[in-house]
Amino acid sequence: QSALTQPASVSGSPGQSITISCTGTSSDVGGYNYVSWYQQHPGKAPKLLIFAVRNRPSGVSNRFSGSKSGNTASLTISGLQAEDEADYYCSSYTGSNTRVFGGGTKLTVL
Amino acid sequence: DVQLVESGGGLVQPGGSLKISCAASEFTFRSYAMTWVRQAPGKGLEWVSSISDSGGSAYYADSVKGRFTISRDNSKNTLYLQMNSLRAEDTAVYYCAKAYDFFWSGLAFWGQGTLVTVSS
Repeated sequence: QSALTQPASVSGSPGQSITISCTGTSSDVGGYNYVSWYQQHPGKAPKLLIFAVRNRPSGVSNRFSGSKSGNTASLTISGLQAEDEADYYCSSYTGSNTRVFGGGTKLTVL
Repeated sequence: DVQLVESGGGLVQPGGSLKISCAASEFTFRSYAMTWVRQAPGKGLEWVSSISDSGGSAYYADSVKGRFTISRDNSKNTLYLQMNSLRAEDTAVYYCAKAYDFFWSGLAFWGQGTLVTVSS
C-alpha cells in the first residue's frame, strides 16, 4: 500500500492554469477508473473535487477537471483564484480492497 | 444535507485502547459503505478502513490490520472504530466519510474529525 506520488508543491498566478500529477502503478491508478481528488484548507475536512477520474460532484466549479493517462492521473485548475490555495490529494482504488492516497500537493496562489 | 459527526477521541497511553464513533444522519445509512481516514499532525491523508453497507465485509490498511476493528450499528446510524494496541504513530485526526456512490468511489461527505493522541 505505497502512497501515490504527487509533487510537494505547485504555484501559479491568479487567472493561470495549473496541473497536479498523481503517479501510481498498474495496480492502482493505471488499473482502475476510481481516481478521486480532494481539496483541503487548513483545519478543515477534505472536500471531494473529482471522482471516477473526471467526474465533478454537483456544486464543484467547472474550473476543476481530471484526467488520466496510463499510471498517472492529473488535476487541472483553470482560472486560478486566491481561494484555490490549499492542499490537494489524489486517491485511487488498488484492486486489493484497499484505497490509497497521494502524499498531497500544496498549491500556492502567487 | 448529509451529516457525519465523529466523537470519542482523546488522549490514550501507548498500548491502550479507544473506540471512536461517527453518527450519521440525513441519508439512508444502512444502504452505504463507510470509511475511516486519518491525518497525522502536519501530514497527509491515510486510508484506514472501510466497511460494507451490511457490515459483512471490512477492509483495513496494513498499518492497522490486526489492531483496529471497524463496525457499524445500522439501527443506530452509527459507525465505529475500535483501536487497540495504540502506538504513537496512530496519533491523528480521524475522519469518517461516505462514498459518492460505489464502495470505492470518491469520498463525497466527511465529518469534522476527532483527534486521537497516543502519548504517555
